[in-house]
Amino acid sequence: AQKITQTQPGMFVQEKEAVTLDCTYDTSDQSYGLFWYKQPSSGEMIFLIYQGSYDEQNATEGRYSLNFQKARKSANLVISASQLGDSAMYFCAMREEETSGSRLTFGEGTQLTVNP
Amino acid sequence: GAGVSQSPSNKVTEKGKDVELRCDPISGHTALYWYRQSLGQGLEFLIYFQGNSAPDKSGLPSDRFSAERTGGSVSTLTIQRTQQEDSAVYLCASSSRGGAIEQYFGPGTRLTVT
Repeated sequence: AQKITQTQPGMFVQEKEAVTLDCTYDTSDQSYGLFWYKQPSSGEMIFLIYQGSYDEQNATEGRYSLNFQKARKSANLVISASQLGDSAMYFCAMREEETSGSRLTFGEGTQLTVNP
Repeated sequence: GAGVSQSPSNKVTEKGKDVELRCDPISGHTALYWYRQSLGQGLEFLIYFQGNSAPDKSGLPSDRFSAERTGGSVSTLTIQRTQQEDSAVYLCASSSRGGAIEQYFGPGTRLTVT
């Protein structure tokens, strides 16, 4: 079974609107972390946001927020007020701290296109 | 300060040849990771170094792949007898310690095996 599933290969959003990128995960660890990275066409991986499995509040970083639903094993990324520069590939990743230590397991990504 | 650097940025090699990819982590970072990204795919973990501990090699796809980290700093990923399926972008990341939240990624090396 896939450990990280991103079901949206591509998403489109109008500039200034909000968009949600889906991510579900599968782990038997009690202690784990969830991450979102952005990869523009230049190829660099940019860390966006982190949610720990024991964090009770949803993580927020500026225009990014992580909608963490532990019982559903989902960790969706919400981008508010989309900008043209948000067009990029977005990857959800997980760190299973009990079984896999510090390595990250990535999903296959969602290509986001922001239209003017 | 300087970020993670990788060299070369691009490498084209013939099938069967050996290649070495280099990663310079952020100064002072004790944890170093190698990942591979095939075209249109997510990143696949290869190997992880933390300080002087034995590396976690569990992600290496075959015994043609090896990596070392000298002096706790620079790392070299070596692929012997390259195959076409080795074509990918190889990304290196470092973090201040193994459990640190953020892994800082380098720009990657694009390897093409012809």
